[in-house]
Amino acid sequence: QKEVEQNSGPLSVPEGAIASLNCTYSDRGSQSFFWYRQYSGKSPELIMFIYSNGDKEDGRFTAQLNKASQYVSLLIRDSQPSDSATYLCAVNSGYALNFGKGTSLLVTP
Amino acid sequence: EPEVTQTPSHQVTQMGQEVILRCVPISNHLYFYWYRQILGQKVEFLVSFYNNEISEKSEIFDDQFSVERPDGSNFTLKIRSTKLEDSAMYFCASQGGQGDQPQHFGDGTRLSIL
Repeated sequence: QKEVEQNSGPLSVPEGAIASLNCTYSDRGSQSFFWYRQYSGKSPELIMFIYSNGDKEDGRFTAQLNKASQYVSLLIRDSQPSDSATYLCAVNSGYALNFGKGTSLLVTP
Repeated sequence: EPEVTQTPSHQVTQMGQEVILRCVPISNHLYFYWYRQILGQKVEFLVSFYNNEISEKSEIFDDQFSVERPDGSNFTLKIRSTKLEDSAMYFCASQGGQGDQPQHFGDGTRLSIL
């Protein structure tokens, strides 16, 4: 069974702080890793994707990948209340995306 | 920005009835997907579709489910005889290229089985 694990949270951070979201996966053959944001009752919205070990930055978001440790993370700098949502880690398994249960992030003003 | 469009946004159906969920993927995308999310649970893969055939399906996608691309734009998911446990959000996604390209999700159809 290919698993994607995330802490469910909630992770609470003050406005302006860095939020750090973590994800581990079990399929060592996975090559593509995605972070989606999901507001309550809405669909997953793509935030970042990363394929290679190391860091990838896009605006306030940085994705980090360590394939040896089977670990991927998402950093959100200067967190805003509008960032409050559930963040889904997804890992490619063949054609399918295998999702974690998501981490709930709450950014408090 | 191009979007994946799903209709209807909410479907209420009696148990045992057939239901068809519709999706218009992003034009020029080649790979199409259906996922579902039961309330409070994770997003689960149902099926992928490429070149007019199923390329992969999960254990959830049993004989009650079918997919079709009846024309050049629509992509449908049919559930033949709905069960109470089919109640969920159903998301369509499309992808421009294989494997590592991101999948883009539609807004979903909330299916409620009574």
